[in-house]
Amino acid sequence: GAGVSQTPSNKVTEKGKYVELRCDPISGHTALYWYRQSLGQGPEFLIYFQGTGAADDSGLPNDRFLAVRPEGSVSTLKIQRTERGDSAVYLCASSPQTGDTQYFGPGTRLTVL
Amino acid sequence: GESVGLHLPTLSVQEGDNSIINCAYSNSASDYFIWYKQESGKGPQFIIDIRSNMDKRQGQRVTVLLNKTVKHLSLQIAATQPGDSAVYFCAEHNDYKLSFGAGTTVTVRA
Repeated sequence: GAGVSQTPSNKVTEKGKYVELRCDPISGHTALYWYRQSLGQGPEFLIYFQGTGAADDSGLPNDRFLAVRPEGSVSTLKIQRTERGDSAVYLCASSPQTGDTQYFGPGTRLTVL
Repeated sequence: GESVGLHLPTLSVQEGDNSIINCAYSNSASDYFIWYKQESGKGPQFIIDIRSNMDKRQGQRVTVLLNKTVKHLSLQIAATQPGDSAVYFCAEHNDYKLSFGAGTTVTVRA
């Protein structure tokens, strides 16, 4: 079946711009997660949704970052006033229920010039 | 005494040999542990997991060992193939959050 999909696969933007990254989880998965992976490192947790609500957003670096999941399926990660330090691969994962195995998408590579 | 495998950032393996990748974890309360494989330009791919109440689990060509006494996890890959070349991450699962270790880059020599 279809896995987690993320769009765009690559995004290049200029410092100060606004970007949106989209995640389509596996159909039927109620839990959705965002992680960020810097070059040469493992993914780091950003935010977790159970259904429509953000159950834990403690990993978001600052208030320039916001993630939503209005209908409990697709999620969008929104970054305002991008900075060069935001450059990384943003990974989305989903699981059938909270606590189940997390399956990752291919990621969006964000480059802030 | 029991030896603890050292985490190495890179591992070069001859095709057909067995690979052993080591990982140290930090949280004794983690409920399970997962190994992921990540190829260049792709997201992490689930390989195998093990519950904290187990010490060994086998999959297809892979075996994971868990030593809670020394907080150590290992992944053994049998008969390593060129397609096994990738970065391997261990991850601890707590409630809903994954914490990843430093990856190991495995290169398979023909």
